[in-house]
Amino acid sequence: DGGITQSPKYLFRKEGQNVTLSCEQNLNHDAMYWYRQDPGQGLRLIYYSQIVNDFQKGDIAEGYSVSREKKESFPLTVTSAQKNPTAFYLCASSFPRTGGADTEAFFGQGTRLTVV
Amino acid sequence: AQSVSQHNHHVILSEAASLELGCNYSYGGTVNLFWYVQYPGQHLQLLLKYFSGDPLVKGIKGFEAEFIKSKFSFNLRKPSVQWSDTAEYFCAVSQGNQGGKLIFGQGTELSVKP
Repeated sequence: DGGITQSPKYLFRKEGQNVTLSCEQNLNHDAMYWYRQDPGQGLRLIYYSQIVNDFQKGDIAEGYSVSREKKESFPLTVTSAQKNPTAFYLCASSFPRTGGADTEAFFGQGTRLTVV
Repeated sequence: AQSVSQHNHHVILSEAASLELGCNYSYGGTVNLFWYVQYPGQHLQLLLKYFSGDPLVKGIKGFEAEFIKSKFSFNLRKPSVQWSDTAEYFCAVSQGNQGGKLIFGQGTELSVKP
């Protein structure tokens, strides 16, 4: 089945350690996104990539880094510089419609990161 | 800065009651509008979307939404809710041709009592 796979589902890390969250999609989508979800705040965009080897900062990129070496993969690293890393992280992808406009985003199951 | 505002943080309804969740956005250009739902323990799913055309949009599970451009609104409705509609609902907006680059509202938690 096509979809977006995020792993692991739960992740625990000690404060001060970097951690990398995995996101893989087999939908052949060009664009991929990382969102952070906090209670009562909805989802906020961290980084996005519209094509391989290119990515842009979203609204809350500080303390995060990404890479896009393959179309299928868009890993997110939460660095020690991120002051409040404990959150639910969602990966998404989308595919341009005919004429260049983008379609809606499809989301993975998410990774719940807890930093202790 | 663009923003999306959902009117209610938590809504509690009895089964068979009608539902309307408000959503307003602040952006003057071309927008794409979405409602997503997150059932307990499940991933975010698309309920319905508006890109252009008929401003009354029908989605899955009997939901519909109406885009009122003059009011910058995209309210979600369902005539009769079920216990299985208990979930968190998110309104989201994207600009122009970037459907996946979304600005989300804060979310509305819907609890339906059997």
